[in-house]
Amino acid sequence: ETGVTQSPTHLIKTRGQQVTLRCSSQSGHNTVSWYQQALGQGPQFIFQYYREEENGRGNFPPRFSGLQFPNYSSELNVNALELDDSALYLCASSLGRGPTGELFFGEGSRLTVL
Amino acid sequence: AQRVTQPEKLLSVFKGAPVELKCNYSYSGSPELFWYVQYSRQRLQLLLRHISRESIKGFTADLNKGETSFHLKKPFAQEEDSAMYYCALISGGYQKVTFGTGTKLQVIP
Repeated sequence: ETGVTQSPTHLIKTRGQQVTLRCSSQSGHNTVSWYQQALGQGPQFIFQYYREEENGRGNFPPRFSGLQFPNYSSELNVNALELDDSALYLCASSLGRGPTGELFFGEGSRLTVL
Repeated sequence: AQRVTQPEKLLSVFKGAPVELKCNYSYSGSPELFWYVQYSRQRLQLLLRHISRESIKGFTADLNKGETSFHLKKPFAQEEDSAMYYCALISGGYQKVTFGTGTKLQVIP
């Protein structure tokens, strides 16, 4: 069974740039969620994708967008980067769109915005 | 809006001592609560959920709706329990999990 994998593990961008983060879900999982974890904070829900459609979103502006592909892998795109976007971005996969609460996390992509 | 509060950033206990990690929540609906754990150099993982009423690695947590709390307890701490613990609440018709800020548990040998 393959776990959740994320890439890249670390990256540095400058203000105003755009970034794409990638996630491969755990084998057999059809739902992917993205979380932002700032230093010293808990993960914050960005959005969830189920069968290629966004079906839930947290309090993040539209410049945070995503995609899910037919193989259930996913991308998180952030446009017009701001300094406060510096954080660890976590991808989590699960089975089914319903609220089981059981999320399987990747190791994260650490984004630094200068 | 839902909120999860973990008042302690750091909790240090001696090996063999009881552990209680505090969690309070705010949610207008019927809550489903969880504890997640992150050991050093490992990914975040589910420890236990209140609906299962299970004991995992000696840890238990009871939902107290009157006090809106979901404290995590273990009678005798072990060194391998040292980790970051997050209390979490699920809401909405999908997998939106609201996490607390986390408590770092340090078990002193």
